Amino acid sequence: DAGVTQSPTHLIKTRGQHVTLRCSPISGHKSVSWYQQVLGQGPQFIFQYYEKEERGRGNFPDRFSARQFPNYSSELNVNALLLGDSALYLCASSLSEYNEQFFGPGTRLTVL
Amino acid sequence: AQSVTQLDSQVPVFEEAPVELRCNYSSSVSVYLFWYVQYPNQGLQLLLKYLSGSTLVKGINGFEAEFNKSQTSFHLRKPSVHISDTAEYFCAVSDSSNTGKLIFGQGTTLQVKP
Repeated sequence: DAGVTQSPTHLIKTRGQHVTLRCSPISGHKSVSWYQQVLGQGPQFIFQYYEKEERGRGNFPDRFSARQFPNYSSELNVNALLLGDSALYLCASSLSEYNEQFFGPGTRLTVL
Repeated sequence: AQSVTQLDSQVPVFEEAPVELRCNYSSSVSVYLFWYVQYPNQGLQLLLKYLSGSTLVKGINGFEAEFNKSQTSFHLRKPSVHISDTAEYFCAVSDSSNTGKLIFGQGTTLQVKP
């Protein structure tokens, strides 16, 4: 069975640009969460979507937004990129709000 | 609010020796606890989880962890480590009513030496 997939694998952007990251959950999973992992730190929660509705938002500025589609895939959008947005962005999916999360391989974003 | 503290940033150990990675948490509500492993340039892999029931939890690759509610701890152990266990280990906590928001510790680097 396919795990959580994310695209692209790597991305290089310049300050001020916009980026869209994509995530496909494990088949049958309805909850998707996004995390930011800065080098040398643990992942930090950004968003959770369940059944296409936002269920939680972490302490991130409004430049960060996300959505979940009818097929449960998800996009994370970041506007007006800053150097500090450089990180590994991880997507995780779970069957429901009561099950463990499974993580994808991540998208490495570098902002120059 | 919840928080997780991993007490050791790096743990060096010789191959075939036992190891313990320490994790303490704080929360005002009932929680679920998890340990994840991250190999270089990869995502996170679930090692084990505590949701309810027995406080001793067994996971993959020979790892186990014990939930201690009175000490708010969830330490990870392995009786004999291999070189291939070298990786970053993360302890995480979630509210038991929603596992979609994980709070992670800062991570512990396990360095297994030959």
